[in-house]
Amino acid sequence: QVLLAQSGSEVKKSGASVKVSCKASGYRFNGYGITWVRQAPGQGLEWMGWISGFNGNTKFAQRLQGRLTMTADKSTSTVYMELTSLRSDDTAIYYCARVPVLSLPYYFDYWGQGTLVTVSS
Amino acid sequence: QSALTQPASVSGSPGQSITISCTGTSSDVGSYNFVSWYQQRPGKAPRLLIYEVNKRPSGISNRFSGSKSGNTASLTISGLQAEDEADYSCCSYAGVPSHAVFGGGTKLTVL
Repeated sequence: QVLLAQSGSEVKKSGASVKVSCKASGYRFNGYGITWVRQAPGQGLEWMGWISGFNGNTKFAQRLQGRLTMTADKSTSTVYMELTSLRSDDTAIYYCARVPVLSLPYYFDYWGQGTLVTVSS
Repeated sequence: QSALTQPASVSGSPGQSITISCTGTSSDVGSYNFVSWYQQRPGKAPRLLIYEVNKRPSGISNRFSGSKSGNTASLTISGLQAEDEADYSCCSYAGVPSHAVFGGGTKLTVL
């Protein structure tokens, strides 16, 4: 079955960087994309970005451009999301999710369990 | 502030039907038939309920249905059950440069 397993919780200081992993299994990695969505405490979902499992192409939310990087390791079917220059409002649960369309982030059919990132000053 | 507007809360009694609206603009909901809906129970990851406005993934009950008119999409849940109590969020593809936008989420209470 399709499974997205994310790395564990992180606590970071303001200004630091965090790198979260998402290991995919149960499907052909290079036939799908992966998107990242975050949810601040008590808030709604926020789309962050997308990476193609086929060629590593990426698309990011405008407000995160310059701070967000996504990479895909096809040999291990793992996607990495790195966010730099962390601020307190980056405190959130970060989810990866599979995108069943190769080209663009249309919708998200399987989700990881979430990774809590806490940013403290 | 979320890009798509949803009511903060809705409620209904078991067996009733409720509808949750999701209002966007001509740049997102109004331009693309790529509206999706997600159910999220407390402490859990979101679950896909509806994609491409009105399609249900395998395993999703036909009590859940989606529609769209102009810049507003809607999720209808018929025959409400206690287990439907959760948060519901809409999402739309929005082209360049936004790509994808979510609504703020709607808390459904089953009375």
